[in-house]
Amino acid sequence: DQQVKQNSPSLSVQEGRISILNCDYTNSMFDYFLWYKKYPAEGPTFLISISSIKDKNEDGRFTVFLNKSAKHLSLHIVPSQPGDSAVYFCAASAQNNDMRFGAGTRLTVKP
Amino acid sequence: NAGVMQNPRHLVRRRGQEARLRCSPMKGHSHVYWYRQLPEEGLKFMVYLQKENIIDESGMPKERFSAEFPKEGPSILRIQQVVRGDSAAYFCASSDQRISSGNTIYFGEGSWLTVV
Repeated sequence: DQQVKQNSPSLSVQEGRISILNCDYTNSMFDYFLWYKKYPAEGPTFLISISSIKDKNEDGRFTVFLNKSAKHLSLHIVPSQPGDSAVYFCAASAQNNDMRFGAGTRLTVKP
Repeated sequence: NAGVMQNPRHLVRRRGQEARLRCSPMKGHSHVYWYRQLPEEGLKFMVYLQKENIIDESGMPKERFSAEFPKEGPSILRIQQVVRGDSAAYFCASSDQRISSGNTIYFGEGSWLTVV
């Protein structure tokens, strides 16, 4: 039962360019969405979130876009930096529910 | 360190032994979640606990796995009679409220279990 899907297991971009990570969900009850970043041998760290009442949230180089009708969200990183190389997990939650995670996308930013 | 603390970071067990993973939530957090990450896979929800209560264990395997979060002390994830397929990274997360709109959970560094 994969309610949150990240269909791209990996993404490679050049330093300074835009990185776009995508996420789709199936449960229309989800109303809060998060992105976590994970380095090898470390725990996931919270990056940015968005509520379903918004369609965009920006924090520095990171912007999350939400398209509720398409049940799709994306994370944009501009400009991408080598230190952004990590696995990015998309997560979604609903009222009084646990948080479901996607399988992750491994981002590699090349210098 | 006010973050989520997990120990041990690495644990090696022989098949058939027991594994115990501990998690101390962030200060002020009373909600604990356990996730498992198998090699090359994403984070899979296992169980959600509050102090002395299991709220949701829908992600826990039916046998050999158990979790507790006592009134005093850390949350414990216990795996009995481990098998090779239990080898994974086990992450604990905590929050100050039940997951709902607007709440974020914070993860520990993880415990890597290797079954030989």
